[in-house]
Amino acid sequence: DIQMTQSPSSLSASVGDRVTITCRASQGISNFLAWFQQKPGKAPRSLIYAAFTLQSGVPSKFSGSGSGTDFTLTISSLQPEDFATYYCQQYKGYPLTFGGGTKVEIK
Amino acid sequence: EVQLVESGGGLVQPGGSLRLSCAASGFTISDHYMDWVRQAPGKGLEWVGRTRNKAKSYTTEYAASVKGRFTISRDDSKNSVYLQMDSLKTEDTAVYYCARAEPGGSRGSVYYYNMGVWGKGTTVTVSS
Repeated sequence: DIQMTQSPSSLSASVGDRVTITCRASQGISNFLAWFQQKPGKAPRSLIYAAFTLQSGVPSKFSGSGSGTDFTLTISSLQPEDFATYYCQQYKGYPLTFGGGTKVEIK
Repeated sequence: EVQLVESGGGLVQPGGSLRLSCAASGFTISDHYMDWVRQAPGKGLEWVGRTRNKAKSYTTEYAASVKGRFTISRDDSKNSVYLQMDSLKTEDTAVYYCARAEPGGSRGSVYYYNMGVWGKGTTVTVSS
């Protein structure tokens, strides 16, 4: 199985901050990597697929990069609605696997 | 509007069975791969399984933790996907989401699918 490791597991940031979350795959997955946002009590929301392609309707403050084993999600200017948990997920091979999540909290 | 609505969750005893439904609207499920994903209380996301589309003969894949106990099926006439859960264990307690998988890139003639649209989920509690 392909293991996905996210870091940090949580972070505190202020409104307006630039935030970066990293995700590492245990083996190469090309760019078959997605990012999701989840708010408490809500379903996950797809933000990015193919490592850097924004889903329709996702604001451009979100960006993704990386290929192979190392990936990043960046939020350029954190807003109150961005405080949530973020997950990466590989869809290169079965079983599909998620990272453990990164909780972004208000400082 | 594309929408997925899960139903069928509830309280069941260990060893029991439950069937979850996922009703789709705004698109035709026969054209799409569909996934089930779960989230145990206070935990992260865990992929449960996938059914491919009609072009791929509705073949399925499962996580090792549910293989042999869970079965994904679909009824295109009802535009719905199902998750039959048998021999339930306390560790199957979770919110269960269905998701529409969409092409997220290719390598040669092989396409890879990511989860684009999610339902709101249904809660399954396995307890005596």
